[in-house]
Amino acid sequence: QVQLVQSGAEVKKPGASVKVSCKTSGYIFNIFYLHWLRQAPGQGLEWMGWINPYSGSTYYAQKFHGRVSLTRDTSLTTAYMELSSLTSDDTAIYYCARDLRDSSISPTPAFWGQGSLVTVSS
Amino acid sequence: DIQMTQSPSSLSASVGDRVTITCRASQNINDNLNWYQQKPGEAPKLLINSASNLQSGVPSRFSGSGSGTDFTLTISSLQPEDFASYYCQQSYRTPTFGPGTKVDIK
Repeated sequence: QVQLVQSGAEVKKPGASVKVSCKTSGYIFNIFYLHWLRQAPGQGLEWMGWINPYSGSTYYAQKFHGRVSLTRDTSLTTAYMELSSLTSDDTAIYYCARDLRDSSISPTPAFWGQGSLVTVSS
Repeated sequence: DIQMTQSPSSLSASVGDRVTITCRASQNINDNLNWYQQKPGEAPKLLINSASNLQSGVPSRFSGSGSGTDFTLTISSLQPEDFASYYCQQSYRTPTFGPGTKVDIK
């Protein structure tokens, strides 16, 4: 079965960076795009970007351009999200999610990790 | 970006009630609309993709309809496990989500 297991909670100071990992299993890693999303406390869902695990190509939401970096290690079937220049507004649960289809058409986060809480506090 | 709105933002209902949640896109998205359910402390779960396609394992009391800019999620007979928040998401362009609808117990 498809599984995505994320790294644990992090506490960071303002201005720092955080890197969250997403270990996948149960499917062919290279075929399905991986999304990254976040959810601030008590708030809705926000899409950050996605990565094509085969090519490593990425697409980021405009809001996060220049501050987020998505990478992957195909040998470990693991994806990573690094967010820099953190502020208190970045306090959120960060999710990775595998797309429903083996294409870039109609992006649909279908299989989700358990989430990683990132707290930004001085 | 395509803006998504949902109504109502919250509702109170009883077990057995028929519940309808609406979602509107700021432009035509054809049928590129997904619905998610999220329970407290859990990750979202995809219920319906492409406006009306029920995901495997999702009870048939859930259904989706609509096309263009207006969409509906219906729960035909609310069950105790359905009390949760529901989000729509457009997949026509860069994904964006509606603000959510919280369904709680009357």
